[in-house]
Amino acid sequence: QVQLHESGPGLVKPSETLALTCIVSGASISDYYWTWVRQSPGKGLEWIGYVSDGGSAKYSPSLESRVTISLDTSRNQFSLRLTSATAADTAAYYCARLFGAYFYALDVWGQGTTVTVSS
Amino acid sequence: DIQMTQSPSSLSACVGDRVTLTCRASRTIGNYLNWYQHKAGKAPKLLIYGASSLQSGVPSRFSASGSGTDFTLTIGSLQPDDFGIYYCHQSHSVPYTFGQGTEVEIK
Repeated sequence: QVQLHESGPGLVKPSETLALTCIVSGASISDYYWTWVRQSPGKGLEWIGYVSDGGSAKYSPSLESRVTISLDTSRNQFSLRLTSATAADTAAYYCARLFGAYFYALDVWGQGTTVTVSS
Repeated sequence: DIQMTQSPSSLSACVGDRVTLTCRASRTIGNYLNWYQHKAGKAPKLLIYGASSLQSGVPSRFSASGSGTDFTLTIGSLQPDDFGIYYCHQSHSVPYTFGQGTEVEIK
């Protein structure tokens, strides 16, 4: 059974870097694509970007200048870094697997972690 | 970017009702359309992938159809556990995008 678990600080100061990790169990991160999605308070789901099984990444244009998603194959985890955080980055952040055989649907999700950007 | 528009934005229905949600893409996405159910405080749950394929473990009262730009999700007989926000999601082109959601309330 594939499971994902997000970890990282729940509070980030403005202008600092928001950094989260998604620990994957039950599957090798080298075999799938992986993605991050967030939900700001009172809003819908927003796709942040994905990293491929080979480590290449694609991002939302609205975040591309600040975001990096990368693989850590030695630890079977992947990470999100969002620089120059602002209050607008306050959200619940979810990691998920993109399943190519399922039309790249997000078939397995982490439980989510809430990040607040505030001084 | 491909814009995804869902309607209605919310609905309230009785247990046993047949409920239909719609999703429209701003340009054609073939069958790269997925549906999720999201309940507060929980992870979103994949219901349908590839426009019409039922995810394993999802009750058969959920069905979906469509191709190109117009898609529907139908709950054949609404159950108490079906409350939540339903999102469509296109995985045809980067940036992947979600609809704004349809909130389903049980009367």
